[in-house]
Amino acid sequence: QITLKESGPTVVKPTQTLTLTCTFSGFSVSAVGEAVGWIRQPPGKALEWLAILYWDDDKRYRPSLKSRLTIAKAASQNQVVLVMANVDPLDTATYYCAHKGPQVVLFDSWGQGALVSVSS
Amino acid sequence: QSVLTQPPSASGTPGQRVSISCSGSNSNIGSNYVYWYQQLPGTAPKLLIYSNDQRPSGVSDRFSGSKSGTSASLAISGLRSEDEADYYCAAWDDSLSTVLFGGGTKLTVL
Repeated sequence: QITLKESGPTVVKPTQTLTLTCTFSGFSVSAVGEAVGWIRQPPGKALEWLAILYWDDDKRYRPSLKSRLTIAKAASQNQVVLVMANVDPLDTATYYCAHKGPQVVLFDSWGQGALVSVSS
Repeated sequence: QSVLTQPPSASGTPGQRVSISCSGSNSNIGSNYVYWYQQLPGTAPKLLIYSNDQRPSGVSDRFSGSKSGTSASLAISGLRSEDEADYYCAAWDDSLSTVLFGGGTKLTVL
């Protein structure tokens, strides 16, 4: 059974750096075909894909946010980190991490989400 | 504004069949698989349909997906009150090198 859980600060000040951690079980992000992605959802709005990290360390980012985002494997084998620099109140959202398995192209399991507010 | 276009709302009465459309272009739906997600109020999205028309284990066969050209549809038959949720389509876009989500459709069961 695959599970994922997001963790990080609930409030971040504008211009600061946001670091979110996805802790997962039931798969290895180093196994062929596996990947972990991040998606966010501003309050009352649609889902917005941010980044994805593949098993071979290939990384893809949302073009409009590429300069501010970094996705990486953490020191722990079952964690992936998303770093967002220079946050703005418009970055206030629920942030989800999600799993992509070898049999699918997009996400088949999601974490419960973590609400992050950007406010001074 | 999403590149994958969905109607903002849909509705139906219990027992009815409802369809939700998702319109894209050659670089996304036209050349890649479409996925559908259900998001119940206050919860994380759940995969309903993958690879255009495949249901994950545990998803009711009342849900079905289809794709034709640059458009896709999600159909829900035998509508139930617990189907009231937001539904999102998604696909990879080759030109933008990004995952695209539709704007979401809020389904109301009358």
